[in-house]
Amino acid sequence: VQMTQSPSYLAASPGESVSISCKASKRIRNNVAWYQEKPGKANKLLIHSGSTLQSGTPSRFSGSGSGTDFTLTIRSLESEDFAVYYCQQYDEFSFTFGSGTKLEVK
Amino acid sequence: EVQLVESGGGLVQPGRSLKLSCAASGFTFSGYNMAWVRQAPKKGLDWVATILYDGSWTYYRDSVKGRFTISRDNAKSTLYLQMDSLMSEDTATYYCATHDNKGYWFPYWGQGTLVTVSS
Repeated sequence: VQMTQSPSYLAASPGESVSISCKASKRIRNNVAWYQEKPGKANKLLIHSGSTLQSGTPSRFSGSGSGTDFTLTIRSLESEDFAVYYCQQYDEFSFTFGSGTKLEVK
Repeated sequence: EVQLVESGGGLVQPGRSLKLSCAASGFTFSGYNMAWVRQAPKKGLDWVATILYDGSWTYYRDSVKGRFTISRDNAKSTLYLQMDSLMSEDTATYYCATHDNKGYWFPYWGQGTLVTVSS
């Protein structure tokens, strides 16, 4: 299953809301997770099962979608949210990730 | 606190072997399926291999099948990745990660160990 993630780059200001999209090459139910990557830190799981927030994930993060189209939305961006984000499908082996979205300060 | 600490990376010539280790702590290692995920320089994440909690079953991405072997020692809470016949395309940071008990997402990650395959 290929995961097509967009955009690859996103510039926004603190307080704004942004959305990141992942499109699967076949239907994968809601078997999608979202991760945050920051330099020098371990990758952080934000959301699994399409929309379930991992314990500790701030409520300004939300996930939606099912089938082939999935979205990560971050409302009211805070300074710590500027990072790289990846989606991942786990509906079938081989598990695959999107190509990443770099979220930078405008 | 869950900790995953990878080691064993380094510079290796094409065709040679390297064995990575991941020391786990802060959780019941023997109860979790585990995985290796890699990231080539300036690239995205690629799942490499998964091993079941008891070591009874393993699965690999196509490009490493027959060359890489994932294994674990539950008594030592340690995950391994034996990499043989290394190629330049295997150059990446290798991350150890847990799977969740309820599904194949990755709740916990290590900070990675860099493997560079070059002559």
